[in-house]
Amino acid sequence: QVQLQESGPGLVKASETLSLTCTVSGGSVSSGNFFWSWIRQPPGKGLEWIGFISYSGSTNYNPSLKSRVTISLDTSKNQISLNLSSVTAADTAIYYCARDHVGVPIFYWGQGTLVTVSS
Amino acid sequence: SYELTQPPSVSVAPGQTARITCGAQNIGSKNIHWCQQKPGQAPVLVVYDDSDRPSGIPERFSGSNSGNTATLTISTVEAGDEADYYCQVWDTNSDRVLFGGGTKLTVL
Repeated sequence: QVQLQESGPGLVKASETLSLTCTVSGGSVSSGNFFWSWIRQPPGKGLEWIGFISYSGSTNYNPSLKSRVTISLDTSKNQISLNLSSVTAADTAIYYCARDHVGVPIFYWGQGTLVTVSS
Repeated sequence: SYELTQPPSVSVAPGQTARITCGAQNIGSKNIHWCQQKPGQAPVLVVYDDSDRPSGIPERFSGSNSGNTATLTISTVEAGDEADYYCQVWDTNSDRVLFGGGTKLTVL
């Protein structure tokens, strides 16, 4: 079964770029017709879908974040990356990566990583 | 834009049945998925495609979807079911994933 593990800096300064990676085990990011998503959850709040990238590299982003988000694949490391530019305190959240299965967009979840934006 | 509406909270006594709703225009025409999130943990899918269960999810968890309301039903509720529950849908019009606001299930 696929396993997902997020990693990256836990603290990012305001106006800088948040960069996270999701390491995949139990499968290849570039095969299997899968879609890889990023989701975030501000402390004490609900879930927000950030966007996804397909096995072939095509992307789709939440319109509310589209101007600041880039999701990419690193096939050599079997990872998915998330870059979010010009961050503010509102971007403080737990960030999850996820994969689809049997047509369900968010089926398998990683454990998540907390990112705090400091002023 | 399409939005999924959930009640903020639902309370139920142990052994009773909990029903958590997810409302939206003509939601019955879409495939709805439900995840459970316990405090400090990542979400876990408990129901997909309205009423199917992933491997390892107890039969106590079931779902239905018709008209403008999808429902997650948890029968014979246990203390360990206390969690936040979120509905999820792929919105084909906007080509994005939408989540409901979440419902906190309290076991009295």
